[in-house]
Amino acid sequence: ELKVEQNPLFLSMQEGKNYTIYCNYSTTSDRLYWYRQDPGKSLESLFVLLSNGAVKQEGRLMASLDTKARLSTLHITAAVHDLSATYFCATGNAGNMLTFGGGTRLMVKP
Amino acid sequence: GAGVSQSPSNKVTEKGKDVELRCDPISGHTALYWYRQRLGQGLEFLIYFQGNSAPDKSGLPSDRFSAERTGESVSTLTIQRTQQEDSAVYLCASSLGLYNEQFFGPGTRLTVL
Repeated sequence: ELKVEQNPLFLSMQEGKNYTIYCNYSTTSDRLYWYRQDPGKSLESLFVLLSNGAVKQEGRLMASLDTKARLSTLHITAAVHDLSATYFCATGNAGNMLTFGGGTRLMVKP
Repeated sequence: GAGVSQSPSNKVTEKGKDVELRCDPISGHTALYWYRQRLGQGLEFLIYFQGNSAPDKSGLPSDRFSAERTGESVSTLTIQRTQQEDSAVYLCASSLGLYNEQFFGPGTRLTVL
């Protein structure tokens, strides 16, 4: 059974600081997704990582994938308040059924 | 272009009643997925449809849950004899095909009293 674990589950940080969210998964998978969810809203796709060593960046967010370590990271650079949201990683296996991590609730304080 | 749409956005029902939730995928997307998100938790896979293939129902939590899809368009998730533990946000997603990026709808918030 595929399991996906994120840590931390909750992150409070000051604006301007850097931090990394970790996503570990239990079985082989060659694709990893990061989503953002604002309160009461649906999921917004941030990154799709499809190969070992893949790195993608969008603004202050950078995601990477290490399929050998079964680890993906979401790095936040110089956080701003607008990044406050819950971030989910997810990975898929047969049929692209996605298994989600429990989410990391990020609060960026002004 | 239009994204995934779901209706209703909110549904309050009494325990024991049946409910139907609707999902309109992005036009041209052959794959459609249903997920459930309980308060403060991640998403749980329920079921997916790919083209005309038999759906993968492996995530449905009980036989009270069923889903149908008409061709490569609208899908309906039906919950019979609802229970309080069915209260959650039900999210639908679609993708061009299997292994493609999934785009999520706004969800239906179901409250069972």
